[in-house]
Amino acid sequence: NAGVTQTPKFQVLKTGQSMTLQCAQDMNHEYMSWYRQDPGMGLRLIHYSVGAGITDQGEVPNGYNVSRSTTEDFPLRLLSAAPSQTSVYFCASRQGRENTEAFFGQGTRLTVV
Amino acid sequence: GENVEQHPSTLSVQEGDSAVIKCTYSDSASNYFPWYKQELGKRPQLIIDIRSNVGEKKDQRIAVTLNKTAKHFSLHITETQPEDSAVYFCAARDSNYQLIWGAGTKLIIKP
Repeated sequence: NAGVTQTPKFQVLKTGQSMTLQCAQDMNHEYMSWYRQDPGMGLRLIHYSVGAGITDQGEVPNGYNVSRSTTEDFPLRLLSAAPSQTSVYFCASRQGRENTEAFFGQGTRLTVV
Repeated sequence: GENVEQHPSTLSVQEGDSAVIKCTYSDSASNYFPWYKQELGKRPQLIIDIRSNVGEKKDQRIAVTLNKTAKHFSLHITETQPEDSAVYFCAARDSNYQLIWGAGTKLIIKP
């Protein structure tokens, strides 16, 4: 098992550009989430999904879109990048709402200039 | 919604001493409290968790205590070692079964 695979590892964008961060898991987990990690602020939930076809907003959803067409994949789209979106992004998955250990991807360090 | 506060933001202890990190939460309905360790440049990984039906859980040198009345929980690391140096995050599961995270504690182990 590869676990949670997140790409790319590093990305530099210009203000206004769009891009998609990829996340895939091979553990057949129902729950998937996207977080951003900023210094001194911990992990903040952007969007999450409790199964294929179901997504919902977290604490900081503005400027981001997600979709969950399959159990395995949960991409995060930045619609029009802004410097405030400079951060480290983590994708995580869990088997279900009761089995709650979260497995994280390796992270994406995004810089918007 | 759930809010989690974590203290201190930085903790420096002598190797061999104990370290304690504290978290408070706001939603009395929360019933699952994990702790994650994140080494520099790596992903967070679960080290221990506790559910609301127990007050304490131990795993070798680490332990977590929970006080539901006061709505706080703590991570205890005994006999600290250099490899314990990392950022530690607490979290609480909210009513949507999502994890709400503390801001993190940077633990520094001095030789």
